[in-house]
Amino acid sequence: AQSVTQLDSQVPVFEEAPVELRCNYSSSVSVYLFWYVQYPNQGLQLLLKYLSGSTLVKGINGFEAEFNKSQTSFHLRKPSVHISDTAEYFCAVSDTGTASKLTFGTGTRLQVTL
Amino acid sequence: DAGVIQSPRHEVTEMGQEVTLRCKPISGHDYLFWYRQTMMRGLELLIYFNNNVPIDDSGMPEDRFSAKMPNASFSTLKIQPSEPRDSAVYFCASSHSGSPGNTIYFGEGSWLTVV
Repeated sequence: AQSVTQLDSQVPVFEEAPVELRCNYSSSVSVYLFWYVQYPNQGLQLLLKYLSGSTLVKGINGFEAEFNKSQTSFHLRKPSVHISDTAEYFCAVSDTGTASKLTFGTGTRLQVTL
Repeated sequence: DAGVIQSPRHEVTEMGQEVTLRCKPISGHDYLFWYRQTMMRGLELLIYFNNNVPIDDSGMPEDRFSAKMPNASFSTLKIQPSEPRDSAVYFCASSHSGSPGNTIYFGEGSWLTVV
């Protein structure tokens, strides 16, 4: 079984500042990793995913994440945030065998202010 | 393309009543998932189907919950009888096994309040 830990429940940041949202996972097998974003009163939308290959993954809206196998981490970063990035961000993992079954972290609330 | 479509978007019901949530997955997707989101527990996978067959229902909280998928384009999640602790956002999602990593696409959710 897999598990995901999102270390920060809330991250406040000023507009145009950089941000990193942390995610660590636990699994005994190979995994796929995902970041989803949930805007207020909406469903979840895929930001990016790591399947294999390059450990730096670029996603939509200027976000990127780096897979670090030795540290079992998949932190999400953006060099300059915008007010519109205010949302809940979820890290998720699935094992490559049952790729359809995602386990989500508890989410990190990114609050961007002027 | 239409995404995952859920109905109703909002439902307020009285304790003890039956609640039926509906979902139409993306056409061609062979996996369908029901998730529940609450402040206390976050996102929980309740059940998922592959080719209309339930594969894992270990997340279904109790016998009051049931889910069906009579065909590839429709699924229901039923709660009978409903209780206030069932108040949550219920998400339906779908994916295609042929896509790498099987990206899961979520509907906008059904917001259930049981009073």
